[in-house]
Amino acid sequence: EAQVTQNPRYLITVTGKKLTVTCSQNMNHEYMSWYRQDPGLGLRQIYYSMNVEVTDKGDVPEGYKVSRKEKRNFPLILESPSPNQTSLYFCASSLSGRHEAFFGQGTRLTVV
Amino acid sequence: AQRVTQPEKLLSVFKGAPVELKCNYSYSGSPELFWYVQYSRQRLQLLLRHISRESIKGFTADLNKGETSFHLKKPFAQEEDSAMYYCALASTSGNTPLVFGKGTRLSVIA
Repeated sequence: EAQVTQNPRYLITVTGKKLTVTCSQNMNHEYMSWYRQDPGLGLRQIYYSMNVEVTDKGDVPEGYKVSRKEKRNFPLILESPSPNQTSLYFCASSLSGRHEAFFGQGTRLTVV
Repeated sequence: AQRVTQPEKLLSVFKGAPVELKCNYSYSGSPELFWYVQYSRQRLQLLLRHISRESIKGFTADLNKGETSFHLKKPFAQEEDSAMYYCALASTSGNTPLVFGKGTRLSVIA
């Protein structure tokens, strides 16, 4: 089954404790991206990747890192999480920026 | 710059009433436009794209280049249509990120 898988689904952590949210797709898509979803602000893009070893900042990259060492994986790293990063995070993949984006189930992160 | 505007944060309609979710865009070329839907506690999924010109779940959307709009319409709303709707724009080249509007929450009242 074609899908985008994120882990974990829920995470509560403390300020400053490094964490990684994984994202994996099995559709051989070149394009992957991370979004955060906050009430009243909609979806905001954090980082995106056009291909392996190619990543670029989105609208709200501060406090986040990403890597794209393999085509299928695009982890989101929070080196020192802060409470303002409490949000619902979505990973997405697509053939290109013009094609349908497939989204993961979301990761609800709470930083206390 | 590419921009997508959804002017309504919340739209409430009665069951059986017509629905129109507004989307306006700003883009200098020929855009690719999409509507995505997010039902409660579910992931976003594609509802329709302008290039396919198909009707999904009774929804249609027409690209109006003169008004730079891509409004989503349905003649008779159903309770199961209650969800968050996002309009999105892709560039002609596909080499830049998909740009989303802030979304409109549709609430269909029985």
